[in-house]
Amino acid sequence: DQQVKQNSPSLSVQEGRISILNCDYTNSMFDYFLWYKKYPAEGPTFLISISSIKDKNEDGRFTVFLNKSAKHLSLHIVPSQPGDSAVYFCAAGSGNTGKLIFGQGTTLQVKP
Amino acid sequence: DAGITQSPRHKVTETGTPVTLRCHQTENHRYMYWYRQDPGHGLRLIHYSYGVKDTDKGEVSDGYSVSRSKTEDFLLTLESATSSQTSVYFCAISDPNSGVHEQYFGPGTRLTVT
Repeated sequence: DQQVKQNSPSLSVQEGRISILNCDYTNSMFDYFLWYKKYPAEGPTFLISISSIKDKNEDGRFTVFLNKSAKHLSLHIVPSQPGDSAVYFCAAGSGNTGKLIFGQGTTLQVKP
Repeated sequence: DAGITQSPRHKVTETGTPVTLRCHQTENHRYMYWYRQDPGHGLRLIHYSYGVKDTDKGEVSDGYSVSRSKTEDFLLTLESATSSQTSVYFCAISDPNSGVHEQYFGPGTRLTVT
């Protein structure tokens, strides 16, 4: 069973508008969540994280929202820029094992 | 950027041959991980290490082994490569004991098994 799911394989947004990427999880024991961005032929790079005790974390144009009752998190990018075009992965973890469970990824295309 | 290198960056090998991928870090992080990335599956954990000579299996460990004899190096070995192991392999490092949970990834190795 996939514990972390990104149900939208792709998303296309106009430059300057908001991009919303979604992620659902099944394991209520996860206590932190992260978003990664990946360009072709490069390794994933960390974007933003959120602890399960919070419902929002903001860093510049990026905001992550966590809805624990719905087991859902989302990444908002405002305003979207063409350079944001990449694959976005959500990931979840618990305790100090360091292990992360990743979603399948969503490809974001921001059109100029 | 975290100091993580992977070698080789690209490799083509034949079915049944052994293959070793190397991950090297200069950050002195205790934890290291090997993932594979495949379309529709995201990143899946193969093996991980909590320290020198301390390793454990991830969710897709069959057909893979690892070794960690030094803090800075984590080796992934395919004892007898199969076509299903054609993938992009990423190494990552982290230091959860610092209270920070993010993992930092290397540039990846693209492996093709023919």
